[in-house]
Parts: sequence; C-alpha cells; structure tokens
Amino acid sequence: DQQVKQNSPSLSVQEGRISILNCDYTNSMFDYFLWYKKYPAEGPTFLISISSIKDKNEDGRFTVFLNKSAKHLSLHIVPSQPGDSAVYFCAAKAGNNRKLIWGLGTSLAVNP
Amino acid sequence: NAGVMQNPRHLVRRRGQEARLRCSPMKGHSHVYWYRQLPEEGLKFMVYLQKENIIDESGMPKERFSAEFPKEGPSILRIQQVVRGDSAAYFCASSPLTRTGGDYGYTFGSGTRLTVV
Repeated sequence: DQQVKQNSPSLSVQEGRISILNCDYTNSMFDYFLWYKKYPAEGPTFLISISSIKDKNEDGRFTVFLNKSAKHLSLHIVPSQPGDSAVYFCAAKAGNNRKLIWGLGTSLAVNP
Repeated sequence: NAGVMQNPRHLVRRRGQEARLRCSPMKGHSHVYWYRQLPEEGLKFMVYLQKENIIDESGMPKERFSAEFPKEGPSILRIQQVVRGDSAAYFCASSPLTRTGGDYGYTFGSGTRLTVV
C-alpha cells in the first residue's frame, strides 16, 4: 500500500519555465513533508520541507505547497535550470516517528 | 569531510555469502537510518538506530538482516546468506538529536550498491 504517491514517473520542461511536481498521500497522520532530489549514483539530497501547520514554504527557486484537505502537495521550481534535472522524491513522516515514507519519485528533465 | 560516509560504494557477493555495509554519520549526529532502494522503486525504511540502541527496526526483513551502531565506530548493516533479491542500493542517513527530529531533513550518504551474483 503506497501511502505516498507520485503519479508522474517523468516530467520534461524547457529551461526557464516552471516545473511542477506533484505528490499525494493517504495517511492523515502525516504532519511533515519533505522533498529530496537525487542524481544517479548519489544519495538523496534534502531540498525543502513543510509542516502541516503551513500551506506554503519557499526557498529561493523552490516552493512547496500543501493542501491538507486534498492530501496533496506540490513542488514548484521557477525558473527551471538544466542542473535541476534529477529524480525528485516526496517523503512524509508522522509525529515523533523518525522514519520517512517515500514516493517512487518523478524524473525531471530540464531541456536547454 | 563532514558528510555521511558509506563504504564500500559497490559490493558484489555470491549467493550465500555475507554482506557488510558500513556507515559513518556526520559529526555530531547521533541517529542513523538505513534505507533500501530496489530497482525502479522508492526508498524503503529499514531501521533507525542510536548509539548502542535499535530504536525502530520495523522495516527490517525478519531473517538474515541485522544492524548495529556501536559506541565506537560506524553503523553496520549485515546481510547474511545473501540472495539475488537483496541486490539494491542501500542508503544510510544521519540526523542530530532534535526535539522533533528531522526538521531540516536527514543527510544521506552516497549509498552502497549491492549486487548478488
């Protein structure tokens, strides 16, 4: 049972445009969400996170939006750059439980 | 180097052999997590440890897998009598002791890619 779902396995965007990566979750106990970026043959790198008490968090070109009622979050990258090409994972945790539950990832390709 | 160090980067084992994967957390981090990524899948939690203590091993297979984080030295993930299905990337992450845990995301190592032949 996939509690964190990233329904788009891949996304292709032109350089300079907006990339929108989506994530849905089923467990209403999740209260903290994270996005990680992963290059081939490397470990995931933390990108941005959001607590369930917020609906938006912004860090430079990256913004995460959370819609609790829809159990949906999205990562916006503006403007997209070729170096952003990677696999993006959405992850979630519940309360004081330290383990992260991961989606399957979305492979983003930013074309020059 | 202040990052999470995993070794070896690549490990090849024959079926039935033992695999030992090592992880040295970031300096100052007291928590270690092991995750496994099977081909074409996301990361799956395996185990969470503090020094000399297993906190949560709910993701560990019941047999052949064990983990430790001794008082001195790296954390070790041990897989006995490996089978082909154990072939995966194994990632270690570490985090400091914070009140809520993981506010800023865990720091991951580069992983160990285990291939069982």
